[in-house]
Amino acid sequence: QKEVEQDPGPLSVPEGAIVSLNCTYSNSAFQYFMWYRQYSRKGPELLMYTYSSGNKEDGRFTAQVDKSSKYISLFIRDSQPSDSATYLCAGTKTSYDKVIFGPGTSLSVIP
Amino acid sequence: DSGVTQTPKHLITATGQRVTLRCSPRSGDLSVYWYQQSLDQGLQFLIQYYNGEERAKGNILERFSAQQFPDLHSELNLSSLELGDSALYFCASSAKAGLLNTGELFFGEGSRLTVL
Repeated sequence: QKEVEQDPGPLSVPEGAIVSLNCTYSNSAFQYFMWYRQYSRKGPELLMYTYSSGNKEDGRFTAQVDKSSKYISLFIRDSQPSDSATYLCAGTKTSYDKVIFGPGTSLSVIP
Repeated sequence: DSGVTQTPKHLITATGQRVTLRCSPRSGDLSVYWYQQSLDQGLQFLIQYYNGEERAKGNILERFSAQQFPDLHSELNLSSLELGDSALYFCASSAKAGLLNTGELFFGEGSRLTVL
């Protein structure tokens, strides 16, 4: 079993839709959780970061972590064509440990 | 621009050869990570260095090795290359000394390796 799992998609939505991206993880020691966005042929860039359980909002993006169910979510409101990318969730035990990534979900937002 | 520099950007070589990928982390970052990304495997953790010392090892093949130098740049050496080693190799850095770090990684643009 991989430590972080997510549906690879592809996911295609119309512009303006609310997008829900989900991950599960198996390592109960994970304390830090991240979402990265990766455009084609580019390096991943940090989108959202959360510590332990809870919600975090940043503009159109909301990240949720439920440690009891080992579930990580990213919500994108009012999705834009520029949001079309691969979204990678990740977890780590401490701020100095290795970061383990899920396989990524490919998202296309259609104008 | 993440501040992480990787060279070369593209590399084409033959099976059995050896290559070296180089990474310069963000200024002040002590941790360097190497990841391999292929279409069917996603972003796979290879190895992590912290301030010159190996800190964690992932699914890194014995044919691969890495090191972090005193100036904190890192090199990933891939030897006896096989067709299956063709992938994007990413370097990431984090952990500025003296600051509360959150584990966020900053990635370079990657080195695309093609083995023919």
